[in-house]
Amino acid sequence: DIQMTQSPASLSASLGETVTIQCQASEDIYSGLAWYQQKPGKSPQLLIYGASSLQDGVPSRFSGSGSGTQYSLKISSMQTEDEGVYFCQQGLKYPPTFGSGTKLEIK
Amino acid sequence: QVKLLQSGAALVKPGASVKMSCKASGYTFTDYWVSWVKQSHGKSLEWIGEIYPNSGATNFNEKFKGKATLTVDKSTSTAYMELSRLTSEDSAIYYCTRVAAIFLDYWGQGVMVTVSS
Repeated sequence: DIQMTQSPASLSASLGETVTIQCQASEDIYSGLAWYQQKPGKSPQLLIYGASSLQDGVPSRFSGSGSGTQYSLKISSMQTEDEGVYFCQQGLKYPPTFGSGTKLEIK
Repeated sequence: QVKLLQSGAALVKPGASVKMSCKASGYTFTDYWVSWVKQSHGKSLEWIGEIYPNSGATNFNEKFKGKATLTVDKSTSTAYMELSRLTSEDSAIYYCTRVAAIFLDYWGQGVMVTVSS
């Protein structure tokens, strides 16, 4: 299975700060990567797919980039509602696999 | 709007089975695969498997073969997952999701399964 390694495991950011979360795949996943946000007590929600495409309805402060084995999610201006856990997921090969998550909190 | 409405929480005894449902609305049920995902103890996510409602075709994570059975009822736009021979390791929240290409674009609210005697 493809292993997805996320970093950092947790971070805190001030309102308005730019936040970056990293995800590394154990092999080339050719941009077959998604990012999800999970708020406490809620289901995960798709933010980014295809490494850089914004899902409908997701604020434009979220962006994704990367290629090969290295990908990142950027939040350009941290908002209160962005608190939660963020997961990356590869969909190139079966089984789809997820990163261990990054917990993002307001400082 | 797309919605996936899952059945309620379940408390089951070790060794028993549990069957949960996922009722889809707001889209053509037979056009999209439905995946199931496990989340243990608020931690990360594991993909269990998927089913294509139009044909009943399935794909599974090797880890869950023999543990999970996926079925659908096209007449009610409902997907089902049955977990068998339950142990404490199966205590988790289980989500159904709609699959768009290779990504999970809509998620149900989750079913909490607790395995305890």
